[in-house]
Amino acid sequence: DAGVTQSPTHLIKTRGQQVTLRCSPKSGHDTVSWYQQALGQGPQFIFQYYEEEERQRGNFPDRFSGHQFPNYSSELNVNALLLGDSALYLCASSSWGGSREQYFGPGTRLTVT
Amino acid sequence: AQSVTQLDSHVSVSEGTPVLLRCNYSSSYSPSLFWYVQHPNKGLQLLLKYTSAATLVKGINGFEAEFKKSETSFHLTKPSAHMSDAAEYFCVVSEVPPSNTGKLIFGQGTTLQVKP
Repeated sequence: DAGVTQSPTHLIKTRGQQVTLRCSPKSGHDTVSWYQQALGQGPQFIFQYYEEEERQRGNFPDRFSGHQFPNYSSELNVNALLLGDSALYLCASSSWGGSREQYFGPGTRLTVT
Repeated sequence: AQSVTQLDSHVSVSEGTPVLLRCNYSSSYSPSLFWYVQHPNKGLQLLLKYTSAATLVKGINGFEAEFKKSETSFHLTKPSAHMSDAAEYFCVVSEVPPSNTGKLIFGQGTTLQVKP
């Protein structure tokens, strides 16, 4: 049973560029959440998707957007990259209305130069 | 609004000695609480969870945590540390009503160092 998978593992982009990160949830899960983890910090909630709709959003600008597909996989898009967007981006999957625990993927390390 | 405070940013223990990582939470509702572990350059792994059943929760790798409502605490313990326990530990509260989405709110993390 595959867990949560993310791609790519590492990415280097230049300021002003756009990036797309991908996530496939654990088998049986229908909800995907995205988190940003800056160096030395705890993860911060970006947004959550269920039934292809954004259900809740954290305190992140509109440059951060997402999508969920019918097979429950998800994308995180970041436009007009800033140096401060450099971080580990974590995807977590769960069951909507379930026991609240979320299972995390290995993350995508984004470096903006 | 929910919040989590991890009282120690760094804890150092010798192998074979007990581990105590401290966490206080704030919540207007009955919280769901978790401990996650993150090894270097890895994702987050769920250690254990509290969801209003037994107040003493047992997790993987010999860890356990006790939910104390009167003290708003959820400290993580292990009787005997192993070298492989060296990692970053996060105390987490799940946001329950009104949003009901289960958004996770993380503490700042505690780095556990295990000395031989």
